[in-house]
Amino acid sequence: DAKTTQPPSMDCAEGRAANLPCNHSTISGNEYVYWYRQIHSQGPQYIIHGLKNNETNEMASLIITEDRKSSTLILPHATLRDTAVYYCIATRTGTASKLTFGTGTRLQVTL
Amino acid sequence: GAVVSQHPSRVICKSGTSVKIECRSLDFQATTMFWYRQFPKKSLMLMATSNEGSKATYEQGVEKDKFLINHASLTLSTLTVTSAHPEDSSFYICSARDGLAGLRSEQFFGPGTRLTVL
Repeated sequence: DAKTTQPPSMDCAEGRAANLPCNHSTISGNEYVYWYRQIHSQGPQYIIHGLKNNETNEMASLIITEDRKSSTLILPHATLRDTAVYYCIATRTGTASKLTFGTGTRLQVTL
Repeated sequence: GAVVSQHPSRVICKSGTSVKIECRSLDFQATTMFWYRQFPKKSLMLMATSNEGSKATYEQGVEKDKFLINHASLTLSTLTVTSAHPEDSSFYICSARDGLAGLRSEQFFGPGTRLTVL
């Protein structure tokens, strides 16, 4: 799996968009970018994933640069419940493909 | 999304005893399940990959005789911590992938089990 780099922490005001960056400059052509988050003392929660096109679902949007060396997870209207550690992972798909968690970004949403 | 459960959510045991943790996929069949461990303020570390009907594949440095994994059905995997010691105290989390969802299926995580060994 390609190494990913994320800022250790970020703050965001409630109601504003939270933009979480991730660098994956060594990503290979068959690796997807996955985003998970972990709220304190819970199991990780899947958010979104993509290969090269931008993706959007009910939780977030994923913007991947054209060269695929970086991506941004966007929470359009952050709430206090979005406070969590967000993990960006680059990995191949497949039933046995593993997820390697880095240190992630601790997002603190404030009033 | 798919639901993965774990039981128990918390367990306290005495040093030297064994503890079994169950991981179930509630609404899908999971040919592959994964077991992670997380120490306080640290990230998740993959311990092993559990394949239905076959032996688990352990990550480097994880003792297979200490952490016994059984994946006897498409909806259940168990992790048994044998002869537990205080240093085994941790947050254990399982995940599963829907075997029928194709190559793009994401992993779904259980809520975790907090083990405290006295």
